[in-house]
Amino acid sequence: EAGVAQSPRYKIIEKRQSVAFWCNPISGHATLYWYQQILGQGPKLLIQFQNNGVVDDSQLPKDRFSAERLKGVDSTLKIQPAKLEDSAVYLCASSFLYEQYFGPGTRLTVT
Amino acid sequence: GQQLNQSPQSMFIQEGEDVSMNCTSSSIFNTWLWYKQDPGEGPVLLIALYKAGELTSNGRLTAQFGITRKDSFLNISASIPSDVGIYFCAGHLPGDRGSTLGRLYFGRGTQLTVWP
Repeated sequence: EAGVAQSPRYKIIEKRQSVAFWCNPISGHATLYWYQQILGQGPKLLIQFQNNGVVDDSQLPKDRFSAERLKGVDSTLKIQPAKLEDSAVYLCASSFLYEQYFGPGTRLTVT
Repeated sequence: GQQLNQSPQSMFIQEGEDVSMNCTSSSIFNTWLWYKQDPGEGPVLLIALYKAGELTSNGRLTAQFGITRKDSFLNISASIPSDVGIYFCAGHLPGDRGSTLGRLYFGRGTQLTVWP
């Protein structure tokens, strides 16, 4: 069974630029999550989708972050404009119930 | 947000030794999960626990769901060099009105180093 796919794996941008990340979840998993992981910390939930609807986006900085999952499968997370403090690993995960399975992540460096 | 206290923060052990790490919280969780993360990769699920008092093994790994539902521990027996990595506990809080949806909260991780 294929795992969660993410791209790109690495991205370096300057502050105030925009960036987008893509995620393809495990087939059949209705729930998709985006996490931010800062160095030395555990993942922090940004947004959770159930099919193509948002379940929880309480931790998403909505002035600069946006995410969509239009057809209930793939998802994109966008940051516009990026700040230095957005440097982190962005992880996508999917689940059928409680067990979440993670992709390899995208390491973002904002200079 | 919910606070999970994971300890120890780091461990340096010799190959063949046993390892124990734990996670505590002030909140009651309905599920505990343990993950391992290698450098440059996403967390990989090791063990899932669903019932208070449950003891589950996966090879050399054993984890328990605390009776109070506020804590969990992970043991690794006879450690080997490939056990090196960061281990995260995660607790699941149910959503509102008994919904199966909810949120997973992570500890800060235990960095394990195994000397040959």
